Amino acid sequence: DAGVTQSPTHLIKTRGQQVTLRCSPKSGHDTVSWYQQALGQGPQFIFQYYEEEERQRGNFPDRFSGHQFPNYSSELNVNALLLGDSALYLCASSFMTGGAGNEQFFGPGTRLTVL
Amino acid sequence: GQSLEQPSEVTAVEGAIVQINCTYQTSGFYGLSWYQQHDGGAPTFLSYNALDGLEETGRFSSFLSRSDSYGYLLLQELQMKDSASYFCAVSSSSGNTGKLIFGQGTTLQVKP
Repeated sequence: DAGVTQSPTHLIKTRGQQVTLRCSPKSGHDTVSWYQQALGQGPQFIFQYYEEEERQRGNFPDRFSGHQFPNYSSELNVNALLLGDSALYLCASSFMTGGAGNEQFFGPGTRLTVL
Repeated sequence: GQSLEQPSEVTAVEGAIVQINCTYQTSGFYGLSWYQQHDGGAPTFLSYNALDGLEETGRFSSFLSRSDSYGYLLLQELQMKDSASYFCAVSSSSGNTGKLIFGQGTTLQVKP
């Protein structure tokens, strides 16, 4: 059973460009959350998708947008990249209902560097 | 605002016991989770407390006091592989799909 997978592993972009990151949730999970983790910091919640809709959003500008597909996989898009967007982007999957405790399963992340 | 406070670094020797504290101030609270993250790796779930008291899972235990907005992670019989960053995280909505608000993390270094 594959866990959460993310692609690409690493990405280098320049300021002003746009980027798309991809996430496949753990088998059976229907909810995907995205987090941004700057170096030496804790992950910060960007948004969460369930039933192909954004359900919750953190304190991130509209340059950050996302999508969830019928197979529960998800994309994170960031427009007009800034140097400060350089970070590890983590995807986490879970069940909307049921499941055990409060566990979210995280993928290995995509390391984005903006030059 | 919302904030979680935890020590930035802790050092202990193999075989010892270490406690990592977490105090929180958030607008919504449903529970406190702990995650472990090795360098360059994915955060992995360790424990979750929704009610006051102690939860034990093998060498790891977690405690919560809702009235004190305080919790801790206790690691026993430390092993070298426990060297990692540990994050406390508050669930701001019910269930296991809620938004997680993470602390800054505590780097644990286990020495031989």
